[in-house]
Amino acid sequence: EAGVTQFPSHSVIEKGQTVTLRCDPISGHDNLYWYRRVMGKEIKFLLHFVKESKQDESGMPNNRFLAERTGGTYSTLKVQPAELEDSGVYFCASSHWGRGGQETQYFGPGTRLLVL
Amino acid sequence: GESVGLHLPTLSVQEGDNSIINCAYSNSASDYFIWYKQESGKGPQFIIDIRSNMDKRQGQRVTVLLNKTVKHLSLQIAATQPGDSAVYFCAENKAGNQFYFGTGTSLTVIP
Repeated sequence: EAGVTQFPSHSVIEKGQTVTLRCDPISGHDNLYWYRRVMGKEIKFLLHFVKESKQDESGMPNNRFLAERTGGTYSTLKVQPAELEDSGVYFCASSHWGRGGQETQYFGPGTRLLVL
Repeated sequence: GESVGLHLPTLSVQEGDNSIINCAYSNSASDYFIWYKQESGKGPQFIIDIRSNMDKRQGQRVTVLLNKTVKHLSLQIAATQPGDSAVYFCAENKAGNQFYFGTGTSLTVIP
């Protein structure tokens, strides 16, 4: 079974540009999560999809971030326009549905974003 | 919001020794805890979990201890091996809510 995949693995962009990150969850996983880790800090929750619906987007930093999961399969996270503080590693995770959100989450390798 | 922290950012141990990684959490309502291992260039990988109705759980070479009185979680790795070198994260959760992660402890195993 293929794991969670993310694309690209690395992205270097200039402040003001747009970047779109993609996550392909494990097939059949209804839950999809986005997290971000800024250098040396904790992994922070951004948002949670159940199929194509946003279950919780309380962690999204501001309206420069837009996440979609059309069709309930892969998800994209767009940052527009990017700012310096958006630099970090963006992780995607997926899990089966059940147990009130306490299902085992399987993480992708992350996208390392650097905004210059 | 809640925060999950770690007592030590780095830990070095000799190969074959036991490792103990600690974690403090702040939400007394959290009822589920996970330890993740993150190797360089990879995403966090589930190691072991524990629910709040337990105070100890053992896996293969790993043990998680939960002390709800002082809101403390620890991960013990027996006979630490070079392949155990990684960053370890604890995470806490209250059912229906998001997971909160710590900042991570970097474990280095010295051959």
